[in-house]
Amino acid sequence: QVQLVESGGGVVQPGRSLRVSCVASGFTFSGHGMHWVRQAPGKGLEWVAVVSFDGSNKFYADSVKGRFIISRDNSKNTLFLQMNSLGTDDTAVYYCARQVGSGVYYHDSWGQGTLVTVSA
Amino acid sequence: EIMMTQSPATLSVSPGERATLSCRASQSVSSNLAWYQQKPGQAPRLLIYAASTRATGVPARFSGSGSGTEFTLTISSLQSEDFAVYYCQQYNNWWTFGQGTKVEIK
Repeated sequence: QVQLVESGGGVVQPGRSLRVSCVASGFTFSGHGMHWVRQAPGKGLEWVAVVSFDGSNKFYADSVKGRFIISRDNSKNTLFLQMNSLGTDDTAVYYCARQVGSGVYYHDSWGQGTLVTVSA
Repeated sequence: EIMMTQSPATLSVSPGERATLSCRASQSVSSNLAWYQQKPGQAPRLLIYAASTRATGVPARFSGSGSGTEFTLTISSLQSEDFAVYYCQQYNNWWTFGQGTKVEIK
C-alpha cells in the first residue's frame, strides 16, 4: 500500500532554515509528481509546492517562492522541502502528497505530516 | 488565484441524517474538483475527485455533484465516523482549497 512518511520538523528561529523529508513506499515513486501542502495550527490547507516525476519542473505558491526549494531523489524514494528565511507564518504541519491524474492532477495519498514551528 | 468558498462553516447533524456541504469557485474549474475528509490529528483523506467520482474504498453514502463553479458533497446518512472537517479543492488551475466545513454531532 502507498505509504508516505515525513520527518525533519521541529522548532526553528525566525530567519533560519530547515529541511523536511518524505520517504515513499508501496508505489513507483519516480512515476508520480509530488507535492507539499501545509496546514497552520487550527487553519485550513495551503498548497506549497510541486515537483514533476523526474524533478525537472518545480512550481511554488507565491507565499514561499524564492524561499523554499522542493527537490527529490528518486534513487532513495525521497522528497525534500528546503525552507529558508523562515517566518512565524510558516509555522504549520507540512504534508507530502502524491499526485495522480491525467492532464490535471489531484492528491490521492498523504503522509501523516511533520510539524514545523518557527519561534524565537 | 481561484478562490474556493465553502458553506456552511459548521454543520450540526444528527447521526443517520443527511448532510449537504457546498463549495463555490470564484471562476469555472470545470469538473476538476476534489473533496477531502480530515479528522483531528490525521492527514486529509481523498473522498471524491472529478467532482463526482468516489475514491477507492469510499462508502457509497458519500456523493459529489456539480461543475463549473458550484459543487456539493452529500453524505446520505451520517455515521459516527463521518464527523470531521471536509475540504473542497480545485485542481483546474494550480491547487487551492476551501476553508473547510466542520460536520459536528447535533
